[in-house]
Amino acid sequence: KAGVTQTPRYLIKTRGQQVTLSCSPISGHRSVSWYQQTPGQGLQFLFEYFSETQRNKGNFPGRFSGRQFSNSRSEMNVSTLELGDSALYLCASKLSATYEQYFGPGTRLTVT
Amino acid sequence: GESVGLHLPTLSVQEGDNSIINCAYSNSASDYFIWYKQESGKGPQFIIDIRSNMDKRQGQRVTVLLNKTVKHLSLQIAATQPGDSAVYFCAENIATSYDKVIFGPGTSLSVIP
Repeated sequence: KAGVTQTPRYLIKTRGQQVTLSCSPISGHRSVSWYQQTPGQGLQFLFEYFSETQRNKGNFPGRFSGRQFSNSRSEMNVSTLELGDSALYLCASKLSATYEQYFGPGTRLTVT
Repeated sequence: GESVGLHLPTLSVQEGDNSIINCAYSNSASDYFIWYKQESGKGPQFIIDIRSNMDKRQGQRVTVLLNKTVKHLSLQIAATQPGDSAVYFCAENIATSYDKVIFGPGTSLSVIP
C-alpha cells in the first residue's frame, strides 16, 4: 500500500504571495491532518479534515486554510505569506477513531 | 497552555549502549501517548504507543515507560544502532479525542559508531 504523498516537496515563494500544498492520504484513510514544523516551535497542529469537513483546528491565523476532497485528498493554502511561514509542512492520514497517524515526507516551504 | 516537553534536546550514545529519552507532559487528561522517530528528510514515523492505564509497554528493542504520578514518560532503546540516529518526539492525545495531538519539542539522538 502506498504511503502518504505530498507535493511539491520543495517550494520557494516571496512575501505576500500565496501557496497551495497537496496531500494524498493512504488509500482508505479518511482523516487528514496538517502540521507545521519549525526549529523554534516544533510540530504544531494546523487542522484536521474528515469526510470533507474540518473537525479540529489549531491556533493559526486565518491565512492558513485547508480543504478535503471527496477522494480524501487534501490541500492547504497559505495566503499573504510571511517570512515566519517558512517551515516544513507535514500531512498525516489515519483511519477514523484510531490514534496512529502516518506522515508524509513533508513540503519544505521557504519564504523570501 | 498545556504542552508536552522533553528534558534533553540532544543525546549522544555509543553504538551498542542503551538509550533513554525522556518526556514530560502537563495535561492530566491525556490518556494516550506515542513516540515518533523522524529521520532527516522524512516525516515522523510511529514507534510505539502506550495508554494511560499501563505503566510499561515493550516493542522490538524499544520500551516505553509511563509514570502518571509525575507525568513523565520515557523511551528506552536497547542496543542502540547507527540507524537509530534521528529526532524522537513524544506526543499525547487528549482524552476522548482521537484527533487532538500535542507533540513535544523533540530530542536528537546521535549514535557514535
